[in-house]
Amino acid sequence: KQEVTQIPAALSVPEGENLVLNCSFTDSAIYNLQWFRQDPGKGLTSLLLIQSSQREQTSGRLNASLDKSSGRSTLYIAASQPGDSATYLCAVNTNAGKSTFGDGTTLTVKP
Amino acid sequence: NAGVTQTPKFQVLKTGQSMTLQCAQDMNHEYMSWYRQDPGMGLRLIHYSVGAGITDQGEVPNGYNVSRSTTEDFPLRLLSAAPSQTSVYFCASSWGGFRIYEQYFGPGTRLTVT
Repeated sequence: KQEVTQIPAALSVPEGENLVLNCSFTDSAIYNLQWFRQDPGKGLTSLLLIQSSQREQTSGRLNASLDKSSGRSTLYIAASQPGDSATYLCAVNTNAGKSTFGDGTTLTVKP
Repeated sequence: NAGVTQTPKFQVLKTGQSMTLQCAQDMNHEYMSWYRQDPGMGLRLIHYSVGAGITDQGEVPNGYNVSRSTTEDFPLRLLSAAPSQTSVYFCASSWGGFRIYEQYFGPGTRLTVT
């Protein structure tokens, strides 16, 4: 059974700092991995999708990496801003339509 | 495109009542899924579908039924609501092409069972 762990559960940083969020998974036979952002009381917004054959994906200040063999992904946020405050979730897709989510990392960026 | 839509946004049920949460997508996506999210936790898969007429169970299927008669719609039925089903329910859809399983989520339905 696939298990996904996100560390840390919560993170507080001052504005402008670079930071890394971690996601680990137990079954390396994945199709892809997707990072999401969730604001309080809202739905999920897709940030990045990394295919199993890729090592990293970039979008603006966000960079996600994937090391399938070790079962790890990281989300790097450069020059953090207060507007980045949210919960970040990673989801691992192993079977058709079947995703396993981590419990998320709640990020607070202080002005 | 409206994307993934869910109705209702909020619902309060009494224990033992039944109801259907609606989910529709207009992106012609093959895959659709239902998740529940409890406070402070990630999403857990309830049921999913890989196409019209095909459904399967996820991690927490008990107490829920689904059917998929069209590509667009994937309703979730609560058979006899229990307080343990108080949660936020999200529907998602994804394409079967190169960006396979890249999921798009609806805004959620917040359900309270008293």
